Amino acid sequence: GAGVSQTPSNKVTEKGKYVELRCDPISGHTALYWYRQSLGQGPEFLIYFQGTGAADDSGLPNDRFFAVRPEGSVSTLKIQRTERGDSAVYLCASSSGTDPYQETQYFGPGTRLLVL
Amino acid sequence: AQSVTQLDSQVPVFEEAPVELRCNYSSSVSVYLFWYVQYPNQGLQLLLKYLSGSTLVESINGFEAEFNKSQTSFHLRKPSVHISDTAEYFCAVSEMNTGFQKLVFGTGTRLLVSP
Repeated sequence: GAGVSQTPSNKVTEKGKYVELRCDPISGHTALYWYRQSLGQGPEFLIYFQGTGAADDSGLPNDRFFAVRPEGSVSTLKIQRTERGDSAVYLCASSSGTDPYQETQYFGPGTRLLVL
Repeated sequence: AQSVTQLDSQVPVFEEAPVELRCNYSSSVSVYLFWYVQYPNQGLQLLLKYLSGSTLVESINGFEAEFNKSQTSFHLRKPSVHISDTAEYFCAVSEMNTGFQKLVFGTGTRLLVSP
């Protein structure tokens, strides 16, 4: 079946602009995660959804970052007033949601964001 | 808070040689342990994981990792590597008290296999 997809694959924007990054999880997966991977680093947790609600948003760096998942499927990560330090690859992952600790997270290919 | 250390940023090795990629973690509670692999131009995918039971876990493509609680390590090994194993490998942990699988990743080790 189809895996996790993310659009766009690349996004170039100017400092101060607003961007939206989209994640389509595997069909039927209720758990969804966002991570950010800066150059030379491992992925860093941002936010976790179980269904429509953000169960843990402790990884969001500041209030310029926000994510939604209104119907429990597609999720959008929104970044306001982008800064050059926001440049990174944004990864989305989904899992079945049936075993919160032990199930496998399936990652998408990521969106590479470059803020000029 | 937990942390993961992968001291080797890059490991060059010849084809058919053995390899070990090191991973150490720090946590005040019990953890689950994972190795993810990222092949060139592909997304992250799970290689293997330790959840409970036998401390030695294996992947379908010949990698194995052993959980050592006293040394807080989860090193990844393969007795004979192939060119196709060239990739970046990430170790990750998830603490057992977070309510969900909150992965904390190391900085990754790039495995370069040459003929």
